[in-house]
Amino acid sequence: QSVLTQPPSVSAAPGQKVTISCSGSSSNIGNNYVSWYQQLPGTAPKLLIFDNNKRPSGIPDRFSGSKSGTSATLGITGLQTGDEADYYCGTWDISLSAGVFGGGTKLTVL
Amino acid sequence: EVQLVESGGGLVQPGGSLRLSCAPSGFTFSSYWMTWVRQAPGKGLEWVANIKQDGGEKNYVDSVKGRFTISRDNAKNSLSLQMNSLRAEDTAVYYCAREGGRDTCNDYWGQGTLVTVSS
Repeated sequence: QSVLTQPPSVSAAPGQKVTISCSGSSSNIGNNYVSWYQQLPGTAPKLLIFDNNKRPSGIPDRFSGSKSGTSATLGITGLQTGDEADYYCGTWDISLSAGVFGGGTKLTVL
Repeated sequence: EVQLVESGGGLVQPGGSLRLSCAPSGFTFSSYWMTWVRQAPGKGLEWVANIKQDGGEKNYVDSVKGRFTISRDNAKNSLSLQMNSLRAEDTAVYYCAREGGRDTCNDYWGQGTLVTVSS
């Protein structure tokens, strides 16, 4: 049972838009910055979004992040087959004094 | 170019010990918090531990407290994870990652090293 809650899977057609939610509490998302990671099959995770809504250099603007209260959302527009991956949200938990991740969401581009 | 290379994984019996290492390059190691994250086969990411730039502050997930120790040697540019009293549930790929952002945001990751705890 992960501290942050994500849907196990989402799917959409190529070219479409998808959103992935990440729900937490005041001890984590509510008072800290959220990051999002993409993990392609058989590879290490890669940072997609930091500080809730900022993209590292090299990450296309098809990827976006937002946060409201104790929830965060990753948006992906113009879906490509290459976007098929597992996506994770993460942040710091003040009560646990530890980092926490969501359980991950598998994106399928139909 | 930032690189993180883990080593030290392998097969170990329950109750045994293993020491993982991470060799960073391409950045000033002593300026960053560092993290270990693990991923059990077919499962999601689990944050394990992190350590401050000078090694003076360390944090652990509850499931490894008292068994795992994170350490660093800035002079030798190395990060370690000493794992004792290993259990089957510790079986995972262990990633070393740099905390390049706020609230344990990991901007660079190694390729991971597999630890298998089995008799």
